[in-house]
Amino acid sequence: AQSVAQPEDQVNVAEGNPLTVKCTYSVSGNPYLFWYVQYPNRGLQFLLKYITGDNLVKGSYGFEAEFNKSQTSFHLKKPSALVSDSALYFCAVRDIRGGNYGQNFVFGPGTRLSVLP
Amino acid sequence: DAGVTQSPTHLIKTRGQQVTLRCSPKSGHDTVSWYQQALGQGPQFIFQYYEEEERQRGNFPDRFSGHQFPNYSSELNVNALLLGDSALYLCASSSQGVLVKEQYFGPGTRLTVT
Repeated sequence: AQSVAQPEDQVNVAEGNPLTVKCTYSVSGNPYLFWYVQYPNRGLQFLLKYITGDNLVKGSYGFEAEFNKSQTSFHLKKPSALVSDSALYFCAVRDIRGGNYGQNFVFGPGTRLSVLP
Repeated sequence: DAGVTQSPTHLIKTRGQQVTLRCSPKSGHDTVSWYQQALGQGPQFIFQYYEEEERQRGNFPDRFSGHQFPNYSSELNVNALLLGDSALYLCASSSQGVLVKEQYFGPGTRLTVT
């Protein structure tokens, strides 16, 4: 079964400092990995994805993620955090059970990021 | 270009009642998925519709059913509501194809069962 773990419930970082939100995964076959962000009372917004290719993926709002196959990790990073980055972040892996129609995800439990001014 | 829209925004129901939630996908998308997000948890996949048929289903009971219309919009129906059905219900749309694509999510419907 595929699964995603986000080992930290909460991450606190000062504005202007680099931030990292951790994600590890367990999949059968090739991992297709995604990061989403959720602001209060809002749906999920897509940040970035890893399908294949370079291990460093760049996404929206200055975020990037590093894919590490040996460590089965896909950590989200940003060089300089903003207060407006404070939100709930979800790591997800594509669910392969759907076959050709399988565009659905298995989500991690989420990590709440607080950027302090 | 309109994104994914959902209605209603909030809903309060009583145990045992039935509820219908609605979703319109992003323009150009033909596939709709529904997720349940309980408080403090990640979204859990309910089912997916493509070409007006349920194509994949998560670990949810038959009380949860759905429909997709020819214009690709979709409904989620929940019968015999339980207190545990209280959650944010998210609709996501995408388009079929060989490429692995992200899903676009709507703002959700907050369902409270009392």
